[in-house]
Amino acid sequence: AQTVTQSQPEMSVQEAETVTLSCTYDTSENNYYLFWYKQPPSRQMILVIRQEAYKQQNATENRFSVNFQKAAKSFSLKISDSQLGDTAMYFCAFMKQGTPLVFGKGTRLSVIA
Amino acid sequence: EAGVAQSPRYKIIEKRQSVAFWCNPISGHATLYWYQQILGQGPKLLIQFQNNGVVDDSQLPKDRFSAERLKGVDSTLKIQPAKLEDSAVYLCASSLGGPLETQYFGPGTRLLVL
Repeated sequence: AQTVTQSQPEMSVQEAETVTLSCTYDTSENNYYLFWYKQPPSRQMILVIRQEAYKQQNATENRFSVNFQKAAKSFSLKISDSQLGDTAMYFCAFMKQGTPLVFGKGTRLSVIA
Repeated sequence: EAGVAQSPRYKIIEKRQSVAFWCNPISGHATLYWYQQILGQGPKLLIQFQNNGVVDDSQLPKDRFSAERLKGVDSTLKIQPAKLEDSAVYLCASSLGGPLETQYFGPGTRLLVL
């Protein structure tokens, strides 16, 4: 079974600074998909960014980018120019064709003014 | 575009009672998911529907949990009887097509079993 590990239960960052959240996963598959979801306090979970394993180029969405290291099975999220609205739980998730999303335990990020 | 709607937002019951949650997905979304999120953990899929058919219910505790999606639109998740360990947030999500499509989550129902 696939597992997703987020080794940082909590992190904090100063406003306007850059922070990197770590995620590793375990799979024997070659084709799969990786996701970062954001869950703000008392609000809906939303997709931040996704990466297809067959793509070598790292995905980017505005201030959010990933560092996908397929051989190392690592999928970190970098948030640049952190804003107060980035305060949330961040979940890394893995999926392969035909199986459900598997989530990590999450990292609680606090952005400090 | 309206998002995924869920009700109630909060529910407190005693163990051995029953409870039901309701979800209305985004209009036109064929796939609907129910997740259980226990405090301190990521969501875990309970059941996935494609239209009104079940695609995956392998992690649904079928002795006490049931779910239906009649007419392929809204869905209900029921727990009967509830146990203390069922205390969690129950999230509903929907996607336009299959699971590789982006999943859109509702606000969740927070259940406390006393």
